[in-house]
This record gives sequence, structure tokens and C-alpha cells, in this order.
Amino acid sequence: NAGVTQTPKFRVLKTGQSMTLLCAQDMNHEYMYWYRQDPGMGLRLIHYSVGEGTTAKGEVPDGYNVSRLKKQNFLLGLESAAPSQTSVYFCASTQSVLEQFFGPGTRLTVL
Amino acid sequence: AQSVTQLGSHVSVSEGALVLLRCNYSSSVPPYLFWYVQYPNQGLQLLLKYTTGATLVKGINGFEAEFKKSETSFHLTKPSAHMSDAAEYFCAVSGSGRSYIPTFGRGTSLIVHP
Repeated sequence: NAGVTQTPKFRVLKTGQSMTLLCAQDMNHEYMYWYRQDPGMGLRLIHYSVGEGTTAKGEVPDGYNVSRLKKQNFLLGLESAAPSQTSVYFCASTQSVLEQFFGPGTRLTVL
Repeated sequence: AQSVTQLGSHVSVSEGALVLLRCNYSSSVPPYLFWYVQYPNQGLQLLLKYTTGATLVKGINGFEAEFKKSETSFHLTKPSAHMSDAAEYFCAVSGSGRSYIPTFGRGTSLIVHP
């Protein structure tokens, strides 16, 4: 099992460009999450999904959109990237409260 | 509402010394408590968790944590630090809500000196 995978691993964007980050999990988990990690800020929840076809806003949703068309995939979109969105993005999935499984992260730089 | 406070953004120890990383939480419901570890350029992985029962919880790599309800604390310890323990450590608290969303602390960077 690959667990949680994220594509791409690195990306550099110019201000105003758009992109989509892909998260895939092969554990048949219902719940999936997108976090961003910034120095000294810990992990902050952007959006999450409690099942296929559902999405909900987290703590810092502005500037991001998500979709969960298939149970195993959770996409995070940036429609018009801004330098403030420079961060490391982590996807996670779980089936219960007992543990979240994290992907390796995507390092995004917006110039 | 739930929150987590990790005392100290950086903790420095010598190899072989005791490791103590502090975590205090607040929660309106009986909490589930976690410690995650993040090695450089990797995602987070679960170190240990408290759900119910025994308040002293043992995890991987010789780490353990004790749930103290009266102090609302869940401090992480290891008797003897190893160079390979150098990493970022995150404390997290979760309730039993349907979305299973944990709240993470800001993290503590553990530095181990030879």
C-alpha cells in the first residue's frame, strides 16, 4: 500500500497563476484533509471532506477550493496564487479519531 | 472548543539526556490526545496516542507521555535522547466529533547535540 501520496512534490508559481494539488489515498478512508504548514504556526486546516462528494471549510479556506469527486482523491486548487500562499501543503486521511495518516507534502513557492 | 499549547518552540538536549516536551490542552469534552513527529522534509507520523484507560502511554522509539487530567497536560518524555530523535514534534487534541478534526499545537523542534 502506498498510503497517502501527493502530487507534485515541489512547485514554483508566479502571482496570479493557478494550480491543482492532488492527494490520493489507497486505504479506503472516508475523511480527508488539507493543511498548510508555516514556520511557527503549526498545521492549519484549509478544507476537509467527510466523504465522497462532500467538502467543508476549515480554519484558513480563503483563496483555495477543493473537490472530492472520487473517494480516494482530494484535490486542492489555487485559482489565483498569491505570495501569502507560499507554504508546505499536507494532505491527510483517516477512518476514525484514532490517527491521521499524512502524505509527504508539497512545497509551493509563489513569486 | 479545543486548543493546544506547546511550551517552547525549540528544545535543545545533549545525546543521552532526558527529553521533555510540554503540551497543555483545553477541551470541552473528554479528549483524545496525540503526539506526532515530523522528520525533515517528511510528513507527520503518529508517535503515540491517548484515548481511554491507562494514563501512561508508550509509543515508538522509546517515547512515552502521561495524561494528567487535573493539569490538562500531556507531556512527552524519553529517558535518553538519540541523535536520530532530532525532529519537529506536534501535540494534538481531538474530540469525538463526526469530522475527527484534531487541533495541532505549533510544534516544538527538538535539537540533539553530540
